[in-house]
Amino acid sequence: EADIYQTPRYLVIGTGKKITLECSQTMGHDKMYWYQQDPGMELHLIHYSYGVNSTEKGDLSSESTVSRIRTEHFPLTLESARPSHTSQYLCASSESASGSDEQFFGPGTRLTVL
Amino acid sequence: GEDVEQSLFLSVREGDSSVINCTYTDSSSTYLYWYKQEPGAGLQLLTYIFSNMDMKQDQRLTVLLNKKDKHLSLRIADTQTGDSAIYFCAETDYGQNFVFGPGTRLSVLP
Repeated sequence: EADIYQTPRYLVIGTGKKITLECSQTMGHDKMYWYQQDPGMELHLIHYSYGVNSTEKGDLSSESTVSRIRTEHFPLTLESARPSHTSQYLCASSESASGSDEQFFGPGTRLTVL
Repeated sequence: GEDVEQSLFLSVREGDSSVINCTYTDSSSTYLYWYKQEPGAGLQLLTYIFSNMDMKQDQRLTVLLNKKDKHLSLRIADTQTGDSAIYFCAETDYGQNFVFGPGTRLSVLP
């Protein structure tokens, strides 16, 4: 069982609010990822990090930002939430030296912006 | 960029075998994966196969890989209602790029 956590699990907020979605893992993985997924649909990579102080934008353009100050922590921030940001956000991590390179996923945060 | 394709829906009767298919384009794939996602949850790794293997079996799950045709399949024997979920195929090339398919929604009918 993977030790990767996301909080909150569910969030309903009004337009214009600033929010931060938390993701943490206790496995010491160097790589971390954020995906956006509409219910039952494809995963879209929005941000990734290959280590501390490393962040990159993914395939899907996103108005969110991320930071990686500590290995175990990879928070995602929306400065001003809009209804178009309503979605599920999945955090994942992987280890470069694992051999099989698999990604481990957190339970997700379901965000609704009114 | 690289691509992974899957059929979007599959329905089977309880007790039958399910076969979920996936094709990919990356000639440099090193590992291929099957993930399961239940409603409202994250993705759970079911199994993976190294690209130089043809088959891997794990209890009710059998993974077949045809590297020449870039075709991966997941067979679930004796499918149960608890197997109803979305199944994602994914591949990577040494962990540099990780590409997911669109997911196959498996419905198990009683």
